[in-house]
Amino acid sequence: AQSVTQLDSQVPVFEEAPVELRCNYSSSVSVYLFWYVQYPNQGLQLLLKYLSGSTLVKSINGFEAEFNKSQTSFHLRKPSVHISDTAEYFCAVSEGGNTGKLIFGQGTTLQVKP
Amino acid sequence: DTGVSQDPRHKITKRGQNVTFRCDPISEHNRLYWYRQTLGQGPEFLTYFQNEAQLEKSRLLSDRFSAERPKGSFSTLEIQRTEQGDSAMYLCASSLEGGRAQYFGPGTRLTVT
Repeated sequence: AQSVTQLDSQVPVFEEAPVELRCNYSSSVSVYLFWYVQYPNQGLQLLLKYLSGSTLVKSINGFEAEFNKSQTSFHLRKPSVHISDTAEYFCAVSEGGNTGKLIFGQGTTLQVKP
Repeated sequence: DTGVSQDPRHKITKRGQNVTFRCDPISEHNRLYWYRQTLGQGPEFLTYFQNEAQLEKSRLLSDRFSAERPKGSFSTLEIQRTEQGDSAMYLCASSLEGGRAQYFGPGTRLTVT
């Protein structure tokens, strides 16, 4: 069965510092990988996705993630964070089957301090 | 593109009452998913529709839960005889068939007292 592990429940970081949020998954088949961001009392917003092709994917607001098949990881990085990046971040995996259902990790709270 | 909408945003109900939530997906999306999120956890899959057909249900979806998607447009999720353990955020998402990226609504937060 698929599972997703986000290794850090909370990541405190100062504004303008770099950050990495870690995500590992387990699956015996090919997968699609996603990062979602959730602000308080809101739904989830798609941040970026890996479906195929280049293993490095980027978002419009400076985040990037790299799919590493050998390490079964999809870590999220940003070279310089802003206060507005404070939120809950979820890593999710979908098997390359037909349902498309997402399996989520437990989330990482990114706390950006001034 | 107005995005995925959900109604109501908040619902407080007493144990034993029935509640119904509505989800309106992005108009051209064939697939519609329901998830449940409890405090401090990631969302968990409940069920999904391909057009009007309900194709998979999680074991989390007890017989008190029922979902419909008449005519393949909006969907409703009904919980009968609510229990305190049903308190959660109920999230709806939609996607294009094979598109893989799911787009989420703002969620309905249910509190059972």
